[in-house]
Amino acid sequence: DAGVTQSPTHLIKTRGQQVTLRCSPKSGHDTVSWYQQALGQGPQFIFQYYEEEERQRGNFPDRFSGHQFPNYSSELNVNALLLGDSALYLCASSLRGSLYEQYFGPGTRLTVT
Amino acid sequence: GQNIDQPTEMTATEGAIVQINCTYQTSGFNGLFWYQQHAGEAPTFLSYNVLDGLEEKGRFSSFLSRSKGYSYLLLKELQMKDSASYLCAVRDESQGNLIFGKGTKLSVKP
Repeated sequence: DAGVTQSPTHLIKTRGQQVTLRCSPKSGHDTVSWYQQALGQGPQFIFQYYEEEERQRGNFPDRFSGHQFPNYSSELNVNALLLGDSALYLCASSLRGSLYEQYFGPGTRLTVT
Repeated sequence: GQNIDQPTEMTATEGAIVQINCTYQTSGFNGLFWYQQHAGEAPTFLSYNVLDGLEEKGRFSSFLSRSKGYSYLLLKELQMKDSASYLCAVRDESQGNLIFGKGTKLSVKP
């Protein structure tokens, strides 16, 4: 049973560029949430997707956008990258209707130079 | 506002018991989670409390008091591999996102 997978593992971008991160949820899960984790901090919620729509959004600017596909996989897009966007980006999947835990993927380490 | 507090760092000795506290103030509450995160890795689920009381799972136990906005994670028979950050997180509404604390970095020494 495959867990949550994310790609790429690491990424280096330059300020002003755009980036796309990808996530495949755990088998049987239909909800994907994205988190940003800066060094030494806890994860911060970016947004959540269910049924291909953004259902909830945290306190992040519109430069952060996403998408969910019919197979439940998801993308996180960040435009006009800033140095402060350097972080570990975590994808978590869960099953809508379940009040239990979210399963996290290994994350994508984004470095903006 | 939303606020979750936990100690920044703790140190304990191998074989001992350590308690990591977490206090929270959130607009809603639908469960409290504890995650373990080793450096550079994803958080892994440890425990979930939605009702008051103690949940025990092997060497790890978690306690919740909703009236006090308080939880703790208890780790027994500490092992070197328990050195990690421990994240307290609250789900603020049904099916909602998790609000995380900054994490407690636990160092286990021989």
